[in-house]
Amino acid sequence: NAGVMQNPRHLVRRRGQEARLRCSPMKGHSHVYWYRQLPEEGLKFMVYLQKENIIDESGMPKERFSAEFPKEGPSILRIQQVVRGDSAAYFCASSPGGFSQPQHFGDGTRLSIL
Amino acid sequence: QKEVEQNSGPLSVPEGAIASLNCTYSDRGSQSFFWYRQYSGKSPELIMFIYSNGDKEDGRFTAQLNKASQYVSLLIRDSQPSDSATYLCAVNGGNQAGTALIFGKGTTLSVSS
Repeated sequence: NAGVMQNPRHLVRRRGQEARLRCSPMKGHSHVYWYRQLPEEGLKFMVYLQKENIIDESGMPKERFSAEFPKEGPSILRIQQVVRGDSAAYFCASSPGGFSQPQHFGDGTRLSIL
Repeated sequence: QKEVEQNSGPLSVPEGAIASLNCTYSDRGSQSFFWYRQYSGKSPELIMFIYSNGDKEDGRFTAQLNKASQYVSLLIRDSQPSDSATYLCAVNGGNQAGTALIFGKGTTLSVSS
């Protein structure tokens, strides 16, 4: 499958637990973006990464959220001490780079907090 | 704050008609413009992208861009029930490589057979 791969597709956590969301970009893509979609709301940018570097994290909450894109392996979005308000669909997108290049989205991870 | 505005709809058209979806954006420095389609419970799927003023056609879809008016639209000809979805307008805000997309909240299109 040459598309953007996200896992897990569904993730259930209890309040206070940690959530780890994974994203492998399309082959040949080195730019990864994370977006969050809350119910009845639009897609909101969270963070933009290239290999081993965070380029723009202006959309990510300052506390409890972190992201990485290591030299080897997928990009990880980590949410510590989850709260009910973190329940959302989290989408990863990738592009080959350059502002004009379209971003292609994975199927998303639906995070539910009990 | 950079914003992208779309009418939420629903926009209802009969099968075979032309559906016209509109979007305005606030950042005059925006460079690239994208239309995504999102079915309920699914991920956004890229439909069209446009960079220059004017029209760009791809099959039944035509994207139109007017930078002076900060306006971008998507026309869907010969609309089909399978086109029923939410259409998201997205704008890339600057001249930096790989900047993030700013999305509108989407317009829901309903095509009746």
